[in-house]
Amino acid sequence: TQLLEQSPQFLSIQEGENLTVYCNSSSVFSSLQWYRQEPGEGPVLLVTVVTGGEVKKLKRLTFQFGDARKDSSLHITAAQPGDTGLYLCAGKQGGSEKLVFGKGMKLTVNP
Amino acid sequence: KAGVTQTPRYLIKTRGQQVTLSCSPISGHRSVSWYQQTPGQGLQFLFEYFSETQRNKGNFPGRFSGRQFSNSRSEMNVSTLELGDSALYLCASSPRIGGISGNTIYFGEGSWLTVV
Repeated sequence: TQLLEQSPQFLSIQEGENLTVYCNSSSVFSSLQWYRQEPGEGPVLLVTVVTGGEVKKLKRLTFQFGDARKDSSLHITAAQPGDTGLYLCAGKQGGSEKLVFGKGMKLTVNP
Repeated sequence: KAGVTQTPRYLIKTRGQQVTLSCSPISGHRSVSWYQQTPGQGLQFLFEYFSETQRNKGNFPGRFSGRQFSNSRSEMNVSTLELGDSALYLCASSPRIGGISGNTIYFGEGSWLTVV
C-alpha cells in the first residue's frame, strides 16, 4: 500500500515554465519532507514542513503543507535545466523516524 | 560538518553471498535508518536504530539485518543474496527520535549493490 501518492509521475517542460507537483495521502503526517535526487546519488533535502497550512519558499520553489497535514505541494516558478531530477515527498508519522515515500516525480527541464 | 557517509559506494556480489554496508551518521546524530531504493518499488524503509537498539523494522525478510555501534555508526548485512536485492541502499541520520517538531532526516549518497 502506497501511503503517499505523487502526481504527476513524469513531467517534461521547457525552460521558463512553471509546474506544480502534488503529494497526497489519506493519512495524517507529523511532518513532511521534500527531497530532490539525481541519478546515482542520495536524496538531498529541500524542505521540511510541520504545521498544517504552512507555506515555505526557497528561491523559486514554494512548498505548502495541507491544513489537515495529509497532503503537500511543490510549485516551481520559471524552471531551469538545473531543476531536472527526481522530486520525492516523504512523511513521518507519530514518534517514529520512519519515512514513508511517494514514488517521486521525474522532472526534465529542456533548455 | 560532514554529511552522512556510506561505504562502499559500489559493489558487485554473486547470488548466495553476503554483503555488509557501512554508514557513519552526521556528527551528533544518534538515529540511523536504512532504505532500499529500486526503480519498481521506490524507497522502502528497512530499519531504524537509536542508541544501539532497533526501534522500527520494515517488511523485509530476515536476511536483512543491521546493528548500531556506541559511536552511532551503523552497518547493515544482507545474507544469501538474491538477484532481486540489487538496489541502491541508502542510510539516513537524524538528531533524535520522535517528537512533532519536524525532525529532519539527511541521506547519504548510497551504496550501489549489484547481485549477479
